[in-house]
Amino acid sequence: DSGVTQTPKHLITATGQRVTLRCSPRSGDLSVYWYQQSLDQGLQFLIHYYNGEERAKGNILERFSAQQFPDLHSELNLSSLELGDSALYFCASSPGSSYNEQFFGPGTRLTVL
Amino acid sequence: QQQVKQSPQSLIVQKGGISIINCAYENTAFDYFPWYQQFPGKGPALLIAIRPDVSEKKEGRFTISFNKSAKQFSLHIMDSQPGDSATYFCAATRAGSYQLTFGKGTKLSVIP
Repeated sequence: DSGVTQTPKHLITATGQRVTLRCSPRSGDLSVYWYQQSLDQGLQFLIHYYNGEERAKGNILERFSAQQFPDLHSELNLSSLELGDSALYFCASSPGSSYNEQFFGPGTRLTVL
Repeated sequence: QQQVKQSPQSLIVQKGGISIINCAYENTAFDYFPWYQQFPGKGPALLIAIRPDVSEKKEGRFTISFNKSAKQFSLHIMDSQPGDSATYFCAATRAGSYQLTFGKGTKLSVIP
């Protein structure tokens, strides 16, 4: 158990809908990272937050957004969902930024029908 | 542009054998190379990592070999066990960056 929690574990929704994925980092970790894992693209970095501030963006679509709250939990919002958004979404946390080991949560499996 | 290329996609090794997974990178600014292990239904977990100032790092049965001039690094699992069956990802990042760039993964199956 990495200490990172993600909810929900599974999410099934329809195209065009909006969903919110939630992540609670390990106690004391200030950084939260979001990744998307799909069969064809592998693990893709989406976005990084450090202590409430956005620090880096990767291959994140404009339909997706995220935020980190004062209690350091983070939410990833996915809107106007398409079939291709079906994937595993992982949250990871680390004490600081860069070079720190990233601890991954168990993931949220999103299925868009 | 895939910045970290990983091979093979899948690997079957007999118990007690050596598993070898290779990665190549393009960005010469990368200077930290971790390997992650992922079991089905779980998130990836850090296995071992190396910086390019050393050519080899060993932790138990796991060894990373690093060739800076060739921009390649590899994971060797000695005395492979069925419990090592998992998907392995190489990754890379650079100073000042906050993102890991992952290879596409290698599914390792160790058969008794």
